[in-house]
Amino acid sequence: QVQLQQSGPGLVKPSQTLSLTCAISGDSVSSNSATWNWIRQSPSRGLEWLGRTYQRSKWYNDYAVSVRSRITINPDTSKNQFSLQLTSVTPEDTAVYYCAREEITGPNTPIDYWGQGTLVTVSS
Amino acid sequence: QAVLTQPSSLSASPGASASLTCSLRSGINVGTYRIYWYQQKPGSPPQYLLNYKSHSDEQQGSGVPSRFSGSKDASANAGILLISGLQSEDEADYYCMTWHSSAWVFGGGTKLTVL
Repeated sequence: QVQLQQSGPGLVKPSQTLSLTCAISGDSVSSNSATWNWIRQSPSRGLEWLGRTYQRSKWYNDYAVSVRSRITINPDTSKNQFSLQLTSVTPEDTAVYYCAREEITGPNTPIDYWGQGTLVTVSS
Repeated sequence: QAVLTQPSSLSASPGASASLTCSLRSGINVGTYRIYWYQQKPGSPPQYLLNYKSHSDEQQGSGVPSRFSGSKDASANAGILLISGLQSEDEADYYCMTWHSSAWVFGGGTKLTVL
């Protein structure tokens, strides 16, 4: 059974960097049949995919256009986890942030396991 | 215009069936897309239900009851989640999702009320 455990601060000041970590159990961040995603949810923006990291022959990242200039997602193979950094945050970045696994099984690639969610509030 | 559009709310009676729609933006052909469906209850992350591309290409999520099924309405350019034999526990928000332009995109969600 895959489990994703999120950690990180729930309050970030405007213009600072939001940082969250997602620890994986039951799978490997280096798996060739998964990608590791960050998704956020807010009343104003709904569910919004932010990006993902995954390893095939090398490490790859894909990022949403809306945050591409501010986002970094990094794997940490030594701790079997991955992280999210979002720079220059504003109150519009206030949301519940989720980490999630996308399982690659042929043409079916569901995002099937989610972390518990972290409410991040951007406020001074 | 959003890629995926869902009605904001739907009500149905226990034991009845509910058809939740997910309309694709004009110019995007539903026939070429795989539509994923999620259920979300308050305070919890979305839970994967199933995905549907065609009658011969669909996948039920692990442990998801067969009361949940997917389909498409090509004339409406929409994906459909059908829930039969509605139960009170089916009351939740339902989201559709698809891969479009190198990104996962979500619909705005439908709040299903069972009363």
